[in-house]
Amino acid sequence: DVKVTQSSRYLVKRTGEKVFLECVQDMDHENMFWYRQDPGLGLRLIYFSYDVKMKEKGDIPEGYSVSREKKERFSLILESASTNQTSMYLCASSPPTGFTGNTIYFGEGSWLTVV
Amino acid sequence: RKEVEQDPGPFNVPEGATVAFNCTYSNSASQSFFWYRQDCRKEPKLLMSVYSSGNEDGRFTAQLNRASQYISLLIRDSKLSDSATYLCVSSGGSYIPTFGRGTSLIVHP
Repeated sequence: DVKVTQSSRYLVKRTGEKVFLECVQDMDHENMFWYRQDPGLGLRLIYFSYDVKMKEKGDIPEGYSVSREKKERFSLILESASTNQTSMYLCASSPPTGFTGNTIYFGEGSWLTVV
Repeated sequence: RKEVEQDPGPFNVPEGATVAFNCTYSNSASQSFFWYRQDCRKEPKLLMSVYSSGNEDGRFTAQLNRASQYISLLIRDSKLSDSATYLCVSSGGSYIPTFGRGTSLIVHP
């Protein structure tokens, strides 16, 4: 089974802190994604990466950055956390386009509260 | 990015009922379609892929209508455990899947 692991499940941070959310996948997938999910707004794509050191902005990149130094690891960084970044963050991975129809696999989510 | 639209519901049905959800997509280049299930405060999990010929997995049937650009999910003999949010997903020529906001299903005794 595909395993996407988000090491931090529940975090409480103060406004202005730098926050790192780590994600590791074990299926050698090329594509990795970071989403946030808020009630009534569905899944919103923050950033994605289709290869090591490659990244592209999603729909809501403001206030976030990412790092992908190794294929299996994709990190989301909140440079200066703000209360409106309180949310559930979901990491996901998928194989390359055309393989198994881009099935996407999610981690269990990281619940971030910024106070 | 093109959108995927779903009725948010909730669909409130008794156990044993048959319920159907539709999902429309606007990107005619979409090639792959999926239904995901998401339980409260959990991550989405793949329920089933949707093939052009339609496919069935036990009580669940998914169908694709390319001409009208919608996919559907039919659940027969609903169980209490089917209560969840069902997300429709389309994937076009790029590797970025597009998610609908989900349809909430509540199955009651």
